[in-house]
Amino acid sequence: DGGITQSPKYLFRKEGQNVTLSCEQNLNHDAMYWYRQDPGQGLRLIYYSQIVNDFQKGDIAEGYSVSREKKESFPLTVTSAQKNPTAFYLCASSGTGPDTQYFGPGTRLTVL
Amino acid sequence: QKEVEQNSGPLSVPEGAIASLNCTYSDRGSQSFFWYRQYSGKSPELIMFIYSNGDKEDGRFTAQLNKASQYVSLLIRDSQPSDSATYLCAVNIFSSGSARQLTFGSGTQLTVLP
Repeated sequence: DGGITQSPKYLFRKEGQNVTLSCEQNLNHDAMYWYRQDPGQGLRLIYYSQIVNDFQKGDIAEGYSVSREKKESFPLTVTSAQKNPTAFYLCASSGTGPDTQYFGPGTRLTVL
Repeated sequence: QKEVEQNSGPLSVPEGAIASLNCTYSDRGSQSFFWYRQYSGKSPELIMFIYSNGDKEDGRFTAQLNKASQYVSLLIRDSQPSDSATYLCAVNIFSSGSARQLTFGSGTQLTVLP
């Protein structure tokens, strides 16, 4: 089955820790995205990548880092510099069609 | 000014009625418009996209686009309790600097009453 997988589904972080969220896709999509969603709010773009070994900051990149070493994978690291990381994190990808993005199931991060 | 605006709701309609969800956007250069459905605790799933002025129908769903007035709407006919969810409008905003980015509204929460 083609799709986007994210792991883990739930993640708990202690203050001062870095954590990495996984995102993998087997849709052969070029572009991948990371969004953050807070309760009752829409999606805010953290980082995006349109090609391997290249990525761009989104609207709220501070305290986050990414890498894109393989087409299939786009991991997100939430660093200790992110002061309020508790949120629902969504990974998406899009192919050669205009802008249509498909989402993974999400990772819910909670800071203890 | 928000780039993509939706009424947050909640919007309640009786089962079998037509639900109408509206979205306005700020960038006149936008060309791609999307509706996503998000159940509580789940990720968004794509319902429809529309690029041209007018109506686009897919089953019980109709997307309507009016670029002159800068709004896009979603009609759900014969609403079912299973349609109860938050509906997110997404727009390609060229002012973001990339043709591959979408800007999302904050969503409208729809409840269909049995």
